Order: sequence, then C-alpha cells, then structure tokens
Amino acid sequence: DGGITQSPKYLFRKEGQNVTLSCEQNLNHDAMYWYRQDPGQGLRLIYYSQIVNDFQKGDIAEGYSVSREKKESFPLTVTSAQKNPTAFYLCASSIKRGGIYEQYFGPGTRLTVT
Amino acid sequence: AQTVTQSQPEMSVQEAETVTLSCTYDTSESDYYLFWYKQPPSRQMILVIRQEAYKQQNATENRFSVNFQKAAKSFSLKISDSQLGDAAMYFCAGGTSNTGKLIFGQGTTLQVKP
Repeated sequence: DGGITQSPKYLFRKEGQNVTLSCEQNLNHDAMYWYRQDPGQGLRLIYYSQIVNDFQKGDIAEGYSVSREKKESFPLTVTSAQKNPTAFYLCASSIKRGGIYEQYFGPGTRLTVT
Repeated sequence: AQTVTQSQPEMSVQEAETVTLSCTYDTSESDYYLFWYKQPPSRQMILVIRQEAYKQQNATENRFSVNFQKAAKSFSLKISDSQLGDAAMYFCAGGTSNTGKLIFGQGTTLQVKP
C-alpha cells in the first residue's frame, strides 16, 4: 500500500530537548513538505524539499531543521530554539499532475513539550 | 505574496441539504491553482477538489463543486446532499506550479445535523 507514514502519533518531550519527527513516503514523490497546525488554525509551512539533498525554508522555519538524504524520507528536527514547539505536525508529499502539484498528507504527529 | 482567507469559522447544515463554504484569495501570480481539503476528527487531511486558475469551468467531484470567480478572487465550495460524514474542518489552499507549496486559510468547521 502506497502512502505517507509519520511516527509516532503522539510525542512528549521536556523543554530544552531536541526531538526528531519521522516522515516516510513510498509514493515515489519528488517533493516533500512539513507543516505546523495550531488549535483552530490553518497549516503553516515550515520547510519543503523538491529534490534529494536540497530544501528551502517555509514561512516559520526558525527553530526547526530538516534533511533530505533519501527521496523517501524527510525528517524534521524541532530544536530547543523553537519557542512554542507544542503543536500538530503534518508531513506531505506531492506529485505534479496535469501541471499542478497535488499534495497528499500523512496522519500527523502531535508533539507536546512541557 | 499569496493570502487565503476563510471568514466563516463555523457553519452548520441539515443532513441532505446544501451548504456553501467561502474562501477568498489574493496573489500576484498568473499561474496558480486552488484546493479544498477536508480534515475530519482523525486529523487526516484529505484532498476534496482542485481548480486550475486558467480554467473557466468550475471543478466538480461528485457532491462537491466549486464556484470560482476569478475577478472577485473568490473560491467557494458547495456540498450538496450533505451527509453526516461530511462533518469536518475544511481548508481552502492556494499554490503555484513552480514549487508546489501551499498557503492555507484558517479553516471552517462544518457541523452536519441529523
């Protein structure tokens, strides 16, 4: 079954610790994205990558880092520099279909930092 | 820069009735496209419908259709014959064909009453 996997579903960390969120896709999509969702709000783009070994900052990249060493994987590290890390994090990948990038999302990871 | 605005935080509809969710957007790009995504309580983002800006014809997917008014920068979603399973948060999103990254609106929570 093709899809996007995010693990774990729930993650708890102490303040001051870095934490890495996993995102894997077997859809053979070139582009991958990380979004953050806060309660009652829309999604905001953190980082995106259109090809392996290349990625760009989104609108709220401060306090986050990513890597793209393999086409299938795009892990997100939430560093201790991120002031409000508690949020729901969504990973997506996309394929260009008819000239348009259609994004498909993973199930998300709920991160709680105390 | 692109902006996407959803001015209705909450909407409700009676089962089997029709409801329209509003979205306005602003962009300086000529090559752009618009999406509606559904996020049920599971929080899985599901692509509902897409519209290419250059197309005059409004997109339709079964009970879901859009009213794309380019001059007014309006992109509303009509849900016909509403079902209990349509209850969710709905997000309008806009993107361009060069990067695939999306800008999301704030979301509209739709309640379906039996």
